[in-house]
Amino acid sequence: DIQMTQSPSSVSASVGDRVTITCRASQGISSWLAWYQQKPGKAPKLLIYAASSLQSGVPSRFSGSGSGTDFTLTISSLQPEDFATYYCQQANSFPPLFTFGPGTKVDIK
Amino acid sequence: QVQLQESGPGLVKPSETLSLTCTVSGGSISSYYWSWIRQPAGKGLEWIGRIYTSGSTNYNPSLKSRVTMSVDTSKNQFSLKLSSVTAADTAVYYCARGELQSFDYWGQGTLVTVSS
Repeated sequence: DIQMTQSPSSVSASVGDRVTITCRASQGISSWLAWYQQKPGKAPKLLIYAASSLQSGVPSRFSGSGSGTDFTLTISSLQPEDFATYYCQQANSFPPLFTFGPGTKVDIK
Repeated sequence: QVQLQESGPGLVKPSETLSLTCTVSGGSISSYYWSWIRQPAGKGLEWIGRIYTSGSTNYNPSLKSRVTMSVDTSKNQFSLKLSSVTAADTAVYYCARGELQSFDYWGQGTLVTVSS
């Protein structure tokens, strides 16, 4: 099975900061990587799909990059509403299996 | 705007079967994959499995022996059954729509507690 790791596990940042979160897959997954934002008591929200495509309605300060095993989510200028936990998710095509990273909590510095 | 809503018992006894239904509104259930994903309190997300509107299924190998999914296109609903539950199955259960190998629409989630 493909394992996903994320770093850091948590980050403290201020409004306006640039924040970068890394996700690594245990084996190559091409560009089948998505990023989600989850706030307490809420369902995850899709931010990025196919490694770098911005989901409709998501602010452009969010961006994704990478392919193969190493991926990055960048928030260019952190806003108050961005304090949340972020998860990466990979899609293995055969057999179909979706796994999530352990999450990165972004909180207020 | 597509909306998903989970429904089902919030309390299930150990060894019994957990049953949940997801109702899709604001769009057709046809021609998409529909997944169940769960999250124990304070922990990460686990994909349980998915069903296509044809009825074709894929399950997480770690749960495969206990999972059954079904779809009712006439009602725009799909369902999850998880048998022989234990306390380890206590979690918030989400239904979600699959698109381009990610999940673009999610239900609000429903807490299922396994306890006698």
